[in-house]
Amino acid sequence: GAVVSQHPSRVICKSGTSVKIECRSLDFQATTMFWYRQFPKKSLMLMATSNEGSKATYEQGVEKDKFLINHASLTLSTLTVTSAHPEDSSFYICSASGGYGGEQFFGPGTRLTVL
Amino acid sequence: AQSVTQLDSQVPVFEEAPVELRCNYSSSVSVYLFWYVQYPNQGLQLLLKYLSGSTLVKGINGFEAEFNKSQTSFHLRKPSVHISDTAEYFCAVSGGQGAQKLVFGQGTRLTINP
Repeated sequence: GAVVSQHPSRVICKSGTSVKIECRSLDFQATTMFWYRQFPKKSLMLMATSNEGSKATYEQGVEKDKFLINHASLTLSTLTVTSAHPEDSSFYICSASGGYGGEQFFGPGTRLTVL
Repeated sequence: AQSVTQLDSQVPVFEEAPVELRCNYSSSVSVYLFWYVQYPNQGLQLLLKYLSGSTLVKGINGFEAEFNKSQTSFHLRKPSVHISDTAEYFCAVSGGQGAQKLVFGQGTRLTINP
């Protein structure tokens, strides 16, 4: 149990376009989802925390107008990178929490490359 | 505020040798501690966690960790490593068992040599 999926696993886009990444909890209801960004050979940096049905809480330094987060249901959260630029290229990982004592379960990640 | 320090960025070890990955934390409140493993181009998998109770925690794949409150440490150990243990290992801390934010260490790259 406690499986989290992400789609797509890999995306390449042109500079200036927007990209949507989906995070789904497959077998439990996720009241809270987290979005992380990981640079090569670096640790995970929390970008934002989203609770179902409410606005996301962004970490300091993360542009909320650039990284749009929607948590419309208890099994789906989306991260949209708007007007992507090469510096947005990174590995984006989501996690979901809601069952099993509040533990976070991580998705497999999405590799974004902006040309 | 909470923080996590993983003292070694890289640890090379020969196969079947023991290994210890070090983790120290700082926090003004009671903490919950975690170790995660990340294989290339994948998400994180939980190895083990300390929430309360026994300070020696056993996890998957033969790993264990010991919570030492006086030294604010949570070092990860395995008595005999395999090639398949080659991965990135992250120590993390949160301030509560609920859906609290996780603060990650910088990661330790464990490389197992034959």
